[in-house]
Amino acid sequence: GAGVSQSPRYKVAKRGQDVALRCDPISGHVSLFWYQQALGQGPEFLTYFQNEAQLDKSGLPSDRFFAERPEGSVSTLKIQRTQQEDSAVYLCASSLRRVGNQPQHFGDGTRLSIL
Amino acid sequence: SQQGEEDPQALSIQEGENATMNCSYKTSINNLQWYRQNSGRGLVHLILIRSNEREKHSGRLRVTLDTSKKSSSLLITASRAADTASYFCATADSSYKLIFGSGTRLLVRP
Repeated sequence: GAGVSQSPRYKVAKRGQDVALRCDPISGHVSLFWYQQALGQGPEFLTYFQNEAQLDKSGLPSDRFFAERPEGSVSTLKIQRTQQEDSAVYLCASSLRRVGNQPQHFGDGTRLSIL
Repeated sequence: SQQGEEDPQALSIQEGENATMNCSYKTSINNLQWYRQNSGRGLVHLILIRSNEREKHSGRLRVTLDTSKKSSSLLITASRAADTASYFCATADSSYKLIFGSGTRLLVRP
């Protein structure tokens, strides 16, 4: 497809389980971002990749969160030992180039619910 | 933490009316962007205004930026029911990072 694709769209997990969320960015986009969006709030930055390099992971809430983009295309956000406060929508976005004056293209997100 | 505050938090108008949303931010910026989010969907980029620009138009959208007051406004003219969504401003410094506000929920009544 032409847009950013995220899977699964919905994920329900029990507290303590590990989850993996996938993002397929727009082909050829250099930059890839992960955001966390709580209900009724704006997205909050988690991490940024430029090609396969993770240049910024300052927004990751704890060391239970891990992201990778090994071949500079598809990215996976992994959350280990999930907790209830991890429940949120996780959004992936990509942009064509490396600089900040670029619009970001978002996927529809993965809604994660931790029971 | 979020950079900006949108005002109002929620807005309800009749179809055909204009809708104005405001955004304030705290730090210096390279550009400011507005996004729309329909319920259960991702964000869609609407418009980007650079720090050296004061006003920008795109179709029925008009964005202003006042860097001295650290504020921006988004005007949607002749609103339609399909404009019902949440609208977010996002600021970018000289790097790649976008910092989003908390959004305005717009309801356009048919």
